[in-house]
Amino acid sequence: EAQVTQNPRYLITVTGKKLTVTCSQNMNHEYMSWYRQDPGLGLRQIYYSMNVEVTDKGDVPEGYKVSRKEKRNFPLILESPSPNQTSLYFCASISTGSRTEAFFGQGTRLTVV
Amino acid sequence: DAKTTQPTSMDCAEGRAANLPCNHSTISGNEYVYWYRQIHSQGPQYIIHGLKNNETNEMASLIITEDRKSSTLILPHATLRDTAVYYCIVEPWAGSYQLTFGKGTKLSVIP
Repeated sequence: EAQVTQNPRYLITVTGKKLTVTCSQNMNHEYMSWYRQDPGLGLRQIYYSMNVEVTDKGDVPEGYKVSRKEKRNFPLILESPSPNQTSLYFCASISTGSRTEAFFGQGTRLTVV
Repeated sequence: DAKTTQPTSMDCAEGRAANLPCNHSTISGNEYVYWYRQIHSQGPQYIIHGLKNNETNEMASLIITEDRKSSTLILPHATLRDTAVYYCIVEPWAGSYQLTFGKGTKLSVIP
């Protein structure tokens, strides 16, 4: 079954404590992306990766890092989280066949206090 | 990149067709129109896409006007499970894989 798995689903952390949200896909997709979703602002792209070792900034990259050392994994790193990074985060893996179909993970609800 | 405009919210009676409009008046010739939906706080789900011809699949139909400046997503027999936020997205160019989600239309299916 095609899957994008994010962990953790819920996380409460304190300001400044480094954290990583993992994302893994089993579809052998080259393209992956991270979004955050906030009330009234919709889904905004944080970073994306077009292949292993190839990453680029999306619309709201400040305060985030990513890495793509292998095709299936695309972790999102918050080196020093702040309360304004409290949000719902989604990882997406995107098929590059005849259509741009994004497969999303279940989401990670992050609260930074 | 072409921008899209959608109504903020719509209601539809259960069992009736839901017609969700989208305006993309600045779309260019090689830009595809995609529709996704997001049920509650789940990740968005692909519904359908098209370039200039009308499209139909098991979930919905997509009607694109001849000038391509607008489109309508049709859910032929809406059910309560179709209550969701529906996003109309224009892909900047085929194979860009850039999906910019706006605020979408909140569709409420009423019993």
